Amino acid sequence: GQQVMQIPQYQHVQEGEDFTTYCNSSTTLSNIQWYKQRPGGHPVFLIQLVKSGEVKKQKRLTFQFGEAKKNSSLHITATQTTDVGTYFCAGRQGGSEKLVFGKGTKLTVNP
Amino acid sequence: NAGVTQTPKFRVLKTGQSMTLLCAQDMNHEYMYWYRQDPGMGLRLIHYSVGEGTTAKGEVPDGYNVSRLKKQNFLLGLESAAPSQTSVYFCASSYSAGRVHEQYFGPGTRLTVT
Repeated sequence: GQQVMQIPQYQHVQEGEDFTTYCNSSTTLSNIQWYKQRPGGHPVFLIQLVKSGEVKKQKRLTFQFGEAKKNSSLHITATQTTDVGTYFCAGRQGGSEKLVFGKGTKLTVNP
Repeated sequence: NAGVTQTPKFRVLKTGQSMTLLCAQDMNHEYMYWYRQDPGMGLRLIHYSVGEGTTAKGEVPDGYNVSRLKKQNFLLGLESAAPSQTSVYFCASSYSAGRVHEQYFGPGTRLTVT
């Protein structure tokens, strides 16, 4: 079945440093979504990427979807303590109603 | 709007006991999902529903049953709880139409089976 691998599992940075998490799928995806889960909270939708090679920005966050639509990345510039949490990618294959989630990258930021 | 709500928030069960987790959404969403989240395992899909009266199995359905008798509610049942079912359970819902099927998550239910 479809698998979505996400690395790294953990990342600890100093405030102001950049952060990147990577997502790779075993199959071609129709779209990929990113979610953020704060400690003790629930996942919250950040963005969806649909097109091959698509790049979207949200303030300090940059999301990319690979040309082959099998990989994606989330880059945070100049991290802040408010960025702390676990970031999940989630891929959808074809017209499936289901998302397959990566295991997430837990980001901690040292002030 | 309350969004997605889950009851209860916490529960402790003994092995072999049964319980039902309730998920309710007030956004008129067609799709609803149950996930479990374990440390280091991400979110794994248990069961899902694409409309009232329909259900389907996800990645880890064994030991769970679901029902979607009303569009706004999605129930997850554990008939005979096992320690391996200790987890945090999240319900989510989404629209079926449109290009963006973002999922809205409830606050979660923390279940411990002893």
